[in-house]
Amino acid sequence: DIQMTQSPSSLSASVGDRVTITCQASQDISNYLTWYRHKPGKAPEVLIDDASNFETGVPSRFSGSGSGTNFTFTISSLQPEDTATYYCQQYDNLPLTFGGGTKVEIK
Amino acid sequence: QVQLVESGGGVVQPGRSLRLSCAASGFTFTNYGMHWVRQAPGKGLEWVAVISNEESNEYYADSVKGRFTISRDNSRNTLHLQMNSLRPEDTAIYYCAKSGSGYYYAFDSWGQGTLVIVSS
Repeated sequence: DIQMTQSPSSLSASVGDRVTITCQASQDISNYLTWYRHKPGKAPEVLIDDASNFETGVPSRFSGSGSGTNFTFTISSLQPEDTATYYCQQYDNLPLTFGGGTKVEIK
Repeated sequence: QVQLVESGGGVVQPGRSLRLSCAASGFTFTNYGMHWVRQAPGKGLEWVAVISNEESNEYYADSVKGRFTISRDNSRNTLHLQMNSLRPEDTAIYYCAKSGSGYYYAFDSWGQGTLVIVSS
């Protein structure tokens, strides 16, 4: 199984700050990586797929990069509505696997 | 507009069974693989199972293999998860999710989830 190591597990930042989350795969997954945002009591929503491809309607302050085993997710200017837990997930191979999540809070 | 609505959750004793359903609408159900994903209390997301669009392929997480069965009724646009021999560690919110493409890919739509509690 492919292990996904996500860091940090939590962070607290101010509105307007740049926030970066990393995800490392235990083997080469090419660009078969997606990022989800999950707010409490809501369905998760996809923000980025194929490591760097925006989903329709996703604000431009979200971006993703990387390939192979190392990936980065960035919020360029943190907004209050970005409070959530963010997950990376690989879809290169079954079983599909998620990173442990990063809880983002506003300072 | 894609809609996925789960049902069938509840409180069940260890060792018993439960069947979850997910009613899908707003897309051509027969074109996509469908998945179940769960989130235990205080934990992260865990992928559970996938079924291909024409039901020819299934795959399970090791944690549920041999106990859970994923199925779909393409005539009714419905996904199911039959959960047998339930354990306390199966307690979670169960989400159905639609593959963005083909058998498995990023999930482009999720349901709101249904809560399963396994407790005596």
